[in-house]
Amino acid sequence: KNEVEQSPQNLTAQEGEFITINCSYSVGISALHWLQQHPGGGIVSLFMLSSGKKKHGRLIATINIQEKHSSLHITASHPRDSAVYICAVRRSQGNLIFGKGTKLSVKP
Amino acid sequence: NAGVTQTPKFQVLKTGQSMTLQCAQDMNHNSMYWYRQDPGMGLRLIYYSASEGTTDKGEVPNGYNVSRSTTEDFPLRLLSAAPSQTSVYFCASSGTGSRAFFGQGTRLTVV
Repeated sequence: KNEVEQSPQNLTAQEGEFITINCSYSVGISALHWLQQHPGGGIVSLFMLSSGKKKHGRLIATINIQEKHSSLHITASHPRDSAVYICAVRRSQGNLIFGKGTKLSVKP
Repeated sequence: NAGVTQTPKFQVLKTGQSMTLQCAQDMNHNSMYWYRQDPGMGLRLIYYSASEGTTDKGEVPNGYNVSRSTTEDFPLRLLSAAPSQTSVYFCASSGTGSRAFFGQGTRLTVV
């Protein structure tokens, strides 16, 4: 079993829809990262969380440490949000472990 | 700030050749990482360094070597390139309490 599991693997939405991507992990962590990778390959860090909730524009990330679960929400989705979204957890030793990613496609 | 600078962007090697992928960060981050990304596999950790002078193996270290002689630099060396090392490589860095920052990636083809 992977230490970091994301769901769904693929997601297609219509423009304007509210989107949720989930991440569950099975190891002790010091922080959780949400990353975005666009076609063409560049990876951008969206959030780093160790507790609670963070918001940046239309993006919201939450984490429940007790349940070992995090969610990334996108409100009023737009075609430019189409990308692969990756959850990564930072172990206490310092290394990052990645989920396999969720491929999001937002149709106009 | 440049963030994480990774070079080269593209490289073609012949089987058996060696080369070094360069990675530098200017954010004074303690932690640096090398990952490879293959279709259907996600990002897999090759090596990481928690601080200057320390390195640790990740999930797929065979065929690679690293060193961390300065805080800024974390080069990845391919000892004798094999076709199985054809991949996209990413360098990343992070500090305590900070987001992770990634290089632009290196697309390596071994023929």
